[in-house]
Amino acid sequence: DAGVIQSPRHEVTEMGQEVTLRCKPISGHDYLFWYRQTMMRGLELLIYFNNNVPIDDSGMPEDRFSAKMPNASFSTLKIQPSEPRDSAVYFCASSLRPSYNEQFFGPGTRLTVL
Amino acid sequence: KNEVEQSPQNLTAQEGEFITINCSYSVGISALHWLQQHPGGGIVSLFMLSSGKKKHGRLIATINIQEKHSSLHITASHPRDSAVYICAVAPLYYGGSQGNLIFGKGTKLSVKP
Repeated sequence: DAGVIQSPRHEVTEMGQEVTLRCKPISGHDYLFWYRQTMMRGLELLIYFNNNVPIDDSGMPEDRFSAKMPNASFSTLKIQPSEPRDSAVYFCASSLRPSYNEQFFGPGTRLTVL
Repeated sequence: KNEVEQSPQNLTAQEGEFITINCSYSVGISALHWLQQHPGGGIVSLFMLSSGKKKHGRLIATINIQEKHSSLHITASHPRDSAVYICAVAPLYYGGSQGNLIFGKGTKLSVKP
């Protein structure tokens, strides 16, 4: 398996633009996580899905952020409109039952909002 | 107060030294993870443990559930061990476990040749 795949790897955009980050989890993993990493706050959970259903989105900063998982092999994280404070590295991870199994992280998307 | 505290924040060692990174947490957990993040940014899971001790090569992770404390040890450290080491816990709520992880801020390790 290729591991967790994220695209794009780097994104530079201007304030106010819509940004869409994409993730393909490892086949067979029924949990998918979106994380954000900044220097100030470290790694933070934004949202996670189980069997394509959002379970906990309490980490989503505000209404400008939305995430979907239309099927078991694809998820998106959308920011609209983007702001400079959204600049961070966004990681996607997947796992089997997460309390008992490790999480596999994608390479991350480095987002810069000018 | 953060629910997961790591110490030290930064650590510089000479090649060959024995290294210990500590993690303390304040919530009930079902498991604790140690992650490694290399300068290139990728994150790799090193260990997941809920009791006792695990060993993989020169890395050893221990956990004391009663004391809510875990340690990551690196024996015979090498410059390629230079990375950020992150402790994360899977919190246990109301007798069951949710899927989320709570992360420490990480320990930046630099091993000099």
